Amino acid sequence: GEQVEQLPSILRVQEGSSASINCTYENSASNYFPWYKQEPGENPKLIIDIRSNMERKQTQGLIVLLDKKAKRFSLHITDTQPGDSAMYFCAASNNNRIFFGDGTQLVVKP
Amino acid sequence: DAGVTQTPRHEVAEKGQTIILKCEPVSGHNDLFWYRQTKIQGLELLSYFRSKSLMEDGGAFKDRFKAEMLNSSFSTLKIQPTEPKDSAVYLCASSGQYEQYFGPGTRLTVL
Repeated sequence: GEQVEQLPSILRVQEGSSASINCTYENSASNYFPWYKQEPGENPKLIIDIRSNMERKQTQGLIVLLDKKAKRFSLHITDTQPGDSAMYFCAASNNNRIFFGDGTQLVVKP
Repeated sequence: DAGVTQTPRHEVAEKGQTIILKCEPVSGHNDLFWYRQTKIQGLELLSYFRSKSLMEDGGAFKDRFKAEMLNSSFSTLKIQPTEPKDSAVYLCASSGQYEQYFGPGTRLTVL
């Protein structure tokens, strides 16, 4: 009951448009949902997170939504730029035991 | 603030060798994780420590992989003996109450 599903695996968007990545989780006790961005040759870096007592969080062009009933959470990148091109991982955590999605390769075309 | 540090950054080993990877977590973090990352398998958990106690030893990785945490500021991951399929990036991460931060990783190549 710990699997995290992440879709899509590859996302190609035009510069300036928005991009959305969706994840679902199985463990209803999960209470923390971080998102990581990983650029080639680099380690994953935490870019935004949301805790289970919130439904929405926004920072610097990133929006995360959490639907606990549906056990679904999502990342929305507004006004994408070529620098947003990277691999993005979602994760769900319960008591610091964290489970990652398989990642989404985002390609922002100029 | 020092983040998670890992050494070495790159390691090349011959098949059958023993290699030891090192990690220093963020000061004050109680949880430490070792992951292996490949393009095919993605992020795979190898070991998980909480307050230096081994909470999870990665199941299928028990055979040749051994992680240790002798004190709260240092952990090692030993692979013995190495096989070419072990070629991957090995990531160490630590977390406090919520946020988990990754180290820069060690890229291991086994010939």
